[in-house]
Amino acid sequence: DGGITQSPKYLFRKEGQNVTLSCEQNLNHDAMYWYRQDPGQGLRLIYYSQIVNDFQKGDIAEGYSVSREKKESFPLTVTSAQKNPTAFYLCASSRDRDEKLFFGSGTQLSVL
Amino acid sequence: EDKVVQSPLSLVVHEGDTVTLNCSYEVTNFRSLLWYKQEKKAPTFLFMLTSSGIEKKSGRLSSILDKKELSSILNITATQTGDSAIYLCAVEATEYFNFGNEKLTFGTGTRLTIIP
Repeated sequence: DGGITQSPKYLFRKEGQNVTLSCEQNLNHDAMYWYRQDPGQGLRLIYYSQIVNDFQKGDIAEGYSVSREKKESFPLTVTSAQKNPTAFYLCASSRDRDEKLFFGSGTQLSVL
Repeated sequence: EDKVVQSPLSLVVHEGDTVTLNCSYEVTNFRSLLWYKQEKKAPTFLFMLTSSGIEKKSGRLSSILDKKELSSILNITATQTGDSAIYLCAVEATEYFNFGNEKLTFGTGTRLTIIP
């Protein structure tokens, strides 16, 4: 079955630590996205990539980094510079940037 | 700054009831409005609306856009426990014919709970 897989489901970060969230899709989609979901707020765009080896900052990119070395994969690193990382992170993809989004099941990141 | 407001924030009804969820927006250069259902964490696409007054329907769910009022409603009739979810509204803007998912603004969502 085609879809988007995010791992892990739950992740804990210690102070000063970088952590990486995985996002893999087998839908052959060109565009991929990372969103952050906080209680009482709408989804906010962190980074997006329209094509392999290219990505752009979204609205809240500070403290995050991404790579897009393969079409299928778009990992997100939450760096120690992100002072409030506790949130639910959603990865999404679309066939191209103007097609509907397909979402993964998310990763809940918490700080120890 | 683009803004999307959903109401109510939370709604609890009994199975079989009909519900109406609201989404209003302030967006420069509106292009489309989308509804997603988020249950068990992963949002799934429901509807995309671009034209005012044309109802989109899928089973017991329907949605309509009112561009004059800058709003949309999502109706669910004969609700079932499987309808319990967070319903997300998102609006896409366009700028100089430049549009795409990166230009989506999401509302906070309406949490719908259906009691058996």
